[in-house]
Amino acid sequence: DAGITQSPRHKVTETGTPVTLRCHQTENHRYMYWYRQDPGHGLRLIHYSYGVKDTDKGEVSDGYSVSRSKTEDFLLTLESATSSQTSVYFCAISADAFNQPQHFGDGTRLSIL
Amino acid sequence: QQQVKQSPQSLIVQKGGISIINCAYENTAFDYFPWYQQFPGKGPALLIAIRPDVSEKKEGRFTISFNKSAKQFSLHIMDSQPGDSATYFCAASAGGTSYGKLTFGQGTILTVHP
Repeated sequence: DAGITQSPRHKVTETGTPVTLRCHQTENHRYMYWYRQDPGHGLRLIHYSYGVKDTDKGEVSDGYSVSRSKTEDFLLTLESATSSQTSVYFCAISADAFNQPQHFGDGTRLSIL
Repeated sequence: QQQVKQSPQSLIVQKGGISIINCAYENTAFDYFPWYQQFPGKGPALLIAIRPDVSEKKEGRFTISFNKSAKQFSLHIMDSQPGDSATYFCAASAGGTSYGKLTFGQGTILTVHP
């Protein structure tokens, strides 16, 4: 399995609080992605990174921000969590965006009450 | 806007049967079509992938069929086993400046009865 660690694995928090999810990789891959998974929607891309300090928005980026200060870590922040952000969040990594597959972590289950 | 539509939502197959999951896409810029398998509590894992220069790709019991003109692709699981019971996602991405961004289908829950 690709060396991807997501933390925390589970979190329950209240509406309006800030939340940060961490994705840590040991593969030295350039590309990193954050997806959310919801029933009936599959996985949807939130943000992605194509290098240290290089990030861009995905399909459902509103209410989320990201940071990547070093190759191995990609952080997803919900500045003020809302109930609509209750979801399972997956991080993925890829060595080459065009020729190599994305490998996924085991996810963070986030519940916002 | 759902750019990749997957069907059926759920599928029940007897052991030894053939499981077929279909996907249709809209964006003609898509040029990479992977299938992912996901077990409960785990992240999706790449199963098999195809590019539009071939119409079929087979790996063991898993086959992707690709129809570029119809903008459709499908996953066939031959000799389905109870261990194949999982959720399957099709996906697609475009080349160029897409940075490998994947657009996923809605998923199919496959149950294989012994």
